[in-house]
Amino acid sequence: EPEVTQTPSHQVTQMGQEVILRCVPISNHLYFYWYRQILGQKVEFLVSFYNNEISEKSEIFDDQFSVERPDGSNFTLKIRSTKLEDSAMYFCASSEQGRLRTEAFFGQGTRLTVV
Amino acid sequence: AQKITQTQPGMFVQEKEAVTLDCTYDTSDQSYGLFWYKQPSSGEMIFLIYQGSYDEQNATEGRYSLNFQKARKSANLVISASQLGDSAMYFCAMREDNTGANSKLTFGKGITLSVRP
Repeated sequence: EPEVTQTPSHQVTQMGQEVILRCVPISNHLYFYWYRQILGQKVEFLVSFYNNEISEKSEIFDDQFSVERPDGSNFTLKIRSTKLEDSAMYFCASSEQGRLRTEAFFGQGTRLTVV
Repeated sequence: AQKITQTQPGMFVQEKEAVTLDCTYDTSDQSYGLFWYKQPSSGEMIFLIYQGSYDEQNATEGRYSLNFQKARKSANLVISASQLGDSAMYFCAMREDNTGANSKLTFGKGITLSVRP
């Protein structure tokens, strides 16, 4: 069964360092998302992406964050200068359509720890 | 105001019994979708069931059913014949139509379900 793949599963980084979280969405999906979940809390929307541009971003997604689809398969989230409060589980999701009915399929997540 | 509210504390259920997980939502849209996801301790998010605002019948997927009461703005998940593997965090989420073609999911805080043998 097709699935969303995220790498790495766990990343530890020093405060102020740049990190790139990688995702391979399901191959025929056109809509991509990043969400994050701080430990024990709810899942929060960061950004949505379609047709090589950002469709919507939340207030969490400030200038330190960027997304890119560098080739036909990968979808990346970059955090330029990590802060302690960026420690969270980051989920990539994709869906075939952006419409209401279409469920988003989530990757297994990347647990980011900023020390 | 919270868009998705899940207020139950940790829930416990005996194996093979049914359990209802509550979810209420707030939207001014006429067209929206409601989702339930399961998050086991391993961390991944697993889609369980979907209910559209215009769907006349309650959604069902195997042992999962959704008790949709539109006037009350509630979308409770019912798990029948609970299994030990159902122990997990459960999130209710909503997609609204007003956010455009690439509408995001808004999640509730989640409910922890523990199934007792």
